[in-house]
Amino acid sequence: DGGITQSPKYLFRKEGQNVTLSCEQNLNHDAMYWYRQDPGQGLRLIYYSQIVNDFQKGDIAEGYSVSREKKESFPLTVTSAQKNPTAFYLCASSIRDTYNEQFFGPGTRLTVL
Amino acid sequence: AQSVAQPEDQVNVAEGNPLTVKCTYSVSGNPYLFWYVQYPNRGLQFLLKYITGDNLVKGSYGFEAEFNKSQTSFHLKKPSALVSDSALYFCAVRDISVTTDSWGKLQFGAGTQVVVTP
Repeated sequence: DGGITQSPKYLFRKEGQNVTLSCEQNLNHDAMYWYRQDPGQGLRLIYYSQIVNDFQKGDIAEGYSVSREKKESFPLTVTSAQKNPTAFYLCASSIRDTYNEQFFGPGTRLTVL
Repeated sequence: AQSVAQPEDQVNVAEGNPLTVKCTYSVSGNPYLFWYVQYPNRGLQFLLKYITGDNLVKGSYGFEAEFNKSQTSFHLKKPSALVSDSALYFCAVRDISVTTDSWGKLQFGAGTQVVVTP
């Protein structure tokens, strides 16, 4: 988990509210990623960014939004349009090439009440 | 499209016995393959990767994996399991033939829960 911080660790939200999950890295990585983890489904890619001010949708982007204004920060907003937002959210970063591994943060567990 | 299969939801092994976690993949080109481990309520930790070269890859904590191109497999192994190896293990693949705008995408398997009993 070293080098990538996510906050908060636990987050509770009422239905209809937007919430923003924080992800910060001090590894000087260009690329950053957001994944959603549900039991038995592995990790699914929500959004990723290869460089500041640029990002692409992943496999399950609907109901989520991101920004990449700084190299070290990649916040994720879970909007009220996300039908089933309760999940464990993981942020990752990597060097911008094809053969390097991704480094993961400790995760944020979001629960919708 | 790239995909990864981990055919076992759970693997049970006694401490001191060999541990194997299976992974098969499907890509259109050549694969880059990764193994990660996750402890409860934590992020994923990188164990090892195969990029090219020797089919037997050695990684962290005594783990190794064997790349088998003909069987499209990348099984994770440890000669002697420890109770502390009990965790969730993920295999991931990156298809290096994909276009530039999706080069960084990893496809993860569903995960295999490893339970090591004393």
